[in-house]
Amino acid sequence: GENVEQHPSTLSVQEGDSAVIKCTYSDSASNYFPWYKQELGKRPQLIIDIRSNVGEKKDQRIAVTLNKTAKHFSLHITETQPEDSAVYFCAASPTGRRALTFGSGTRLQVQP
Amino acid sequence: SQTIHQWPATLVQPVGSPLSLECTVEGTSNPNLYWYRQAAGRGLQLLFYSVGIGQISSEVPQNLSASRPQDRQFILSSKKLLLSDSGFYLCAWRAGRGIEKLFFGSGTQLSVL
Repeated sequence: GENVEQHPSTLSVQEGDSAVIKCTYSDSASNYFPWYKQELGKRPQLIIDIRSNVGEKKDQRIAVTLNKTAKHFSLHITETQPEDSAVYFCAASPTGRRALTFGSGTRLQVQP
Repeated sequence: SQTIHQWPATLVQPVGSPLSLECTVEGTSNPNLYWYRQAAGRGLQLLFYSVGIGQISSEVPQNLSASRPQDRQFILSSKKLLLSDSGFYLCAWRAGRGIEKLFFGSGTQLSVL
């Protein structure tokens, strides 16, 4: 089955700096890659997603890049703000499988 | 628009007691439904998913079971809770027609004492 690895497990940046979180996946048939943000005690919220026919997608300060050949995708947050502090999860969805496989999460802390 | 309801928000249960968590989805038909568990400070573990009434797929052998008695209702149960069943339980739904986005309910924080 699919295996998703996520790095780093924790990330601390200064306000205004950029943050990058990386994930790799094992199933070359995976074709959908979402990112979720989870604040303490809350549900994970979908913040951005990308499909395998696209190499990059951007939404204001967040962007996701996908390298199908290398089987890795990354989340980029620019001009970080304290409210970006949360746990971020990547996921992959293999073709023919009904469920997402999640990475282990990255705890991002933005220092004011 | 679609909404997902999950209850209760918090639950404290003694070891050996039964469990029933319920999730309902509004505004869509024939959704794919999921139960995930999240241990404190950990990732999201898929427990069960369902593509239709009465159809349940189990991902991890465990002390829990799931049922889907109606199209938009998904129930997580246990006959006898273990300490290791403590965690944050999340119901989620996804449209079953090639639309990939997964949306989570607000979660149930279960403490087994």
